[in-house]
Amino acid sequence: GAGVSQSPSNKVTEKGKDVELRCDPISGHTALYWYRQRLGQGLEFLIYFQGNSAPDKSGLPSDRFSAERTGESVSTLTIQRTQQEDSAVYLCASSLVYRQETSPLHFGNGTRLTVT
Amino acid sequence: GNSVTQMEGPVTLSEEAFLTINCTYTATGYPSLFWYVQYPGEGLQLLLKATKADDKGSNKGFEATYRKETTSFHLEKGSVQVSDSAVYFCALRGAGGTSYGKLTFGQGTILTVHP
Repeated sequence: GAGVSQSPSNKVTEKGKDVELRCDPISGHTALYWYRQRLGQGLEFLIYFQGNSAPDKSGLPSDRFSAERTGESVSTLTIQRTQQEDSAVYLCASSLVYRQETSPLHFGNGTRLTVT
Repeated sequence: GNSVTQMEGPVTLSEEAFLTINCTYTATGYPSLFWYVQYPGEGLQLLLKATKADDKGSNKGFEATYRKETTSFHLEKGSVQVSDSAVYFCALRGAGGTSYGKLTFGQGTILTVHP
């Protein structure tokens, strides 16, 4: 179990449908992060977890977006009633603790979401 | 809020050329600064970091110095290789308050190195 694993790697969905994106962090990593990368743009912070709680949800774009984490392990990002502007690569990262200067982020390869 | 601005790309160089990718930031307090790299088909990975003013991060021949007076963290390499072709992201971690614990990224700079 090497790195951060995300599934699915690609998801195509119709506008208005709900989607769930999954992230399996590196075992033992207490901090978990979700970012979004739209085509040609930088990484946009969505939310991070310390353990199972989310101290900072400020980046979630709307109430259609939610995330949870259980067992200080797997996290799920849910997008309800998807819109075309939700099309992006969703990246998950984890770190041993949430102070990155001593514990860098390890990123997954992302889920490419396309809303048609 | 915190923000990071990188030089726009793409940057195209010949092998053995000198590389500079500019990065400037806006933040309160004393953030930590990072460069991440994304090679084709791979996930983002940490390239180097600096956690206080005047620190120099270095890795794989790349260097960047944390300059608080100019709020900059420019990435440099003296002689690039084809294998350095990738997307480079400058990032900062906020020093406190609600920014603490999350990375803010620049928009990324695509580097292509030709033989």
